[in-house]
This record gives sequence, structure tokens and C-alpha cells, in this order.
Amino acid sequence: AQSVTQLGSHVSVSEGALVLLRCNYSSSVPPYLFWYVQYPNQGLQLLLKYTTGATLVKGINGFEAEFKKSETSFHLTKPSAHMSDAAEYFCAVTPAAGNKLTFGGGTRVLVKP
Amino acid sequence: AAGVIQSPRHLIKEKRETATLKCYPIPRHDTVYWYQQGPGQDPQFLISFYEKMQSDKGSIPDRFSAQQFSDYHSELNMSSLELGDSALYFCASSPPSTSGGPYEQYFGPGTRLTVT
Repeated sequence: AQSVTQLGSHVSVSEGALVLLRCNYSSSVPPYLFWYVQYPNQGLQLLLKYTTGATLVKGINGFEAEFKKSETSFHLTKPSAHMSDAAEYFCAVTPAAGNKLTFGGGTRVLVKP
Repeated sequence: AAGVIQSPRHLIKEKRETATLKCYPIPRHDTVYWYQQGPGQDPQFLISFYEKMQSDKGSIPDRFSAQQFSDYHSELNMSSLELGDSALYFCASSPPSTSGGPYEQYFGPGTRLTVT
């Protein structure tokens, strides 16, 4: 069985400041890892993914994440927050292609001007 | 680019009624997934279909059933609706494994079901 833990259900950052969203997972096999963003009343949009290869992955809107197997983590960062980054972010894991996603509880990001 | 289409976008039903949600995957995607997202919660997997056959089942109530048709669209049928069924229902699709991966799931905009 897999599980995903996102530390902090709410994060508040100032515009221009670093955004750091934490995600830890447990999986019996090397997982595929994803970050999705959800804007109010909208669907889930893929930000970035890790499957194999380079452990630092870059996504859309200036986000990136680093897979650390030893720490079972996949934290999401963005160097400089923008007002448009205000949304809810979900970390998700799946053991293989074609399998269901298991989501973390989500982190709601508030960006202060 | 084509996206996952879900209909209707909003649905209001009364308790004990039935509801049917439809999902049209991205063309040439062969796997469809259904997720339920309650208010303030993360999405929970309900059921998935691969090539029109059920491939996995999650925490889907017995009152719910789903199928995938020959044109790959899928329908989620919900009967004897309860207040607790009020949620956002997402459909997602993923491409064939032969496409080379990495097989991420593409989500539709969701159907917001309100049970009164």
C-alpha cells in the first residue's frame, strides 16, 4: 500500500518569496511521483512528474521538485512566488503506469502582496 | 489540444435519486479513472477501466457502478443518492503503455454533484 503525507495544510508566503511544499511518501516499490495544482472550482493540472532518471525535475510555471529516495521525499519549490500561484497543491504517487493515483491531503497556498 | 470532457459540469439531485456522470477521455487514451473529491478533501480513487474492462476498484460504494463503452467514454451511475455523495467527481485518462510513457493522468474539469 502507498501513502502520501503533505506537511502543512496551509502555507502563506509573500509575493517574491520562496515557495516550499513538502511531500513524503511510502511505497513498497519505486514510485512515480506527481505534483498537481488545483485552482478554485477547477480540475487538477499536472505541474511536474518524476518517473526515472534525473531526480531534479522542472515543471510548469517555474516550479521544480527533487526526488530524494533516501528521505522518501518529493518536495516542491518555486524561487519566487507570484500572486497567480495561490491555489491548492496535491502530491500524488502511483506504483506504475496505468495504476490509480494516491493523493496527499493537499496544501493550500496563500500569496500575500 | 483536446482535453478530458465531463458532463454535466454541475448536477443537483435529491436524496434517493439517481445520477449519471459522463466522461469523454482524450482521443487515443485507453484508460479512464474516476475520483471523488469531498469538500476540503483530497481526491479519492473510485474505479478505473482499461480497454473497456474494469482494471482497478477503490472505495466505490455498492450503490455506484461504472462502465466504459466501445468509444472509450465512461459513465458513472450513482443510485440511492445520499447527502454524503455531494462532491466533485473527476474523470482522468491516460495514454496506452505502448506510447512510451510516462503515462500521467490527465484530469477533466469535474462534475460537481450536490445532493439535497
